[in-house]
Amino acid sequence: DAKTTQPNSMESNEEEPVHLPCNHSTISGTDYIHWYRQLPSQGPEYVIHGLTSNVNNRMASLAIAEDRKSSTLILHRATLRDAAVYYCILRDVRAGGTSYGKLTFGQGTILTVHP
Amino acid sequence: DTEVTQTPKHLVMGMTNKKSLKCEQHMGHRAMYWYKQKAKKPPELMFVYSYEKLSINESVPSRFSPECPNSSLLNLHLHALQPEDSALYLCASSQERDPTEAFFGQGTRLTVV
Repeated sequence: DAKTTQPNSMESNEEEPVHLPCNHSTISGTDYIHWYRQLPSQGPEYVIHGLTSNVNNRMASLAIAEDRKSSTLILHRATLRDAAVYYCILRDVRAGGTSYGKLTFGQGTILTVHP
Repeated sequence: DTEVTQTPKHLVMGMTNKKSLKCEQHMGHRAMYWYKQKAKKPPELMFVYSYEKLSINESVPSRFSPECPNSSLLNLHLHALQPEDSALYLCASSQERDPTEAFFGQGTRLTVV
């Protein structure tokens, strides 16, 4: 399975933008890039996903490098509620592949937001 | 309704007990997942069901036995567990393993004594 590398932790101040990086140098052409987050005492929550182009939704933006070997999750204005563990995940959508259907979590980045 | 409901929320069981965890969703999702999460670690995939059939077993010990009786329900039967099996067990569902979002339940906190 293709792996992702994220910083162990990051800090931000409230109402400032946050850029969470992820490296995935062994990504394959059939891997989608997913981001999930897990708030304390809750199950993981979907944030955003993309394949090649940058993506925006109401929660965040996803910037994908042209060679797809890295991506950045952007929270435009961090709030205290955004303090969580953020996971960058590669998901293989190639039917018949050995990792098809898996959503495999890496270590993630612990985001701390200061008031 | 975008909810995955897991019961019970907490469970304490002895090593000789048999218990079951239950997961339910009514979103019409045909893929369902079991994950195990130890404290301060990421969730680890255990099983994937697709259209009520087991499609992925991540070499999980046989003391964990999954069951998918219908498209809305996923069970995890537990038997002869060890204290190191104590963890948060998470259930998730998604549209048939495609790249759209997976929805997770709040988990069952299991303690084996």
